Amino acid sequence: QVQLQESGPGLVKPSETLSLTCTVSGGSISTYYWSWIRQPPGKGLEWIGYIHYSGITRHNPSLKSRVTISVDTSNNQFSLKLSSVTAADTAVYYCARPDGELRYFDWTNWGQGTLVTVSS
Amino acid sequence: DIQMTQSPSSLSASVGDRVTITCRASQSISRNLNWYQQKPGKAPKLLIYATSSLQSGVPSRFSGSGSGTDFTLTLSSLQPEDFATYYCQQTYRTPCSFGQGTKLEIK
Repeated sequence: QVQLQESGPGLVKPSETLSLTCTVSGGSISTYYWSWIRQPPGKGLEWIGYIHYSGITRHNPSLKSRVTISVDTSNNQFSLKLSSVTAADTAVYYCARPDGELRYFDWTNWGQGTLVTVSS
Repeated sequence: DIQMTQSPSSLSASVGDRVTITCRASQSISRNLNWYQQKPGKAPKLLIYATSSLQSGVPSRFSGSGSGTDFTLTLSSLQPEDFATYYCQQTYRTPCSFGQGTKLEIK
């Protein structure tokens, strides 16, 4: 059974860059489209973007050009960088994998989520 | 972007009740609609994909229907573990987008 685990700082200062890593165990990262999703405290879900091991990426245009998603196949990890953060970026950040190799958004495997707070 | 609107935003019901949650898309999304369940402090769980296909391991008391712009999630007989927040999600167009959620509470 594949498992995902987010890691990274829980506190980021305004205007700085949020950096998170998702480590995948129990399966290879060299298939599937791997996503980041976030959820501000007490609010709904927002898809951030996905990456395929081949390097194909898509991200939510609402985040403009602040998002960078990369993959490290040698360590079975993928990462998120979100630049120029503000308090509005405070959220629980999840990494997730869909149910099939050709599916994008039907996420059946999730990390536990990590709360990132943007504050000085 | 496609906007998803759920109703109601919150709902009180009793164990054994039949409950329906509605999701409306701002444009036609064919049948590209998923439903997730989320409990406090936990990641969402995929219940139904492609409008009416039950994800493996999900009890048959959950069902989904609809097409185009209007969709429903029905819980035929509420169990104690069903009290949670439910989200619809359109996967017709990138970016995928979610409804605001429906919180199902115990009456």
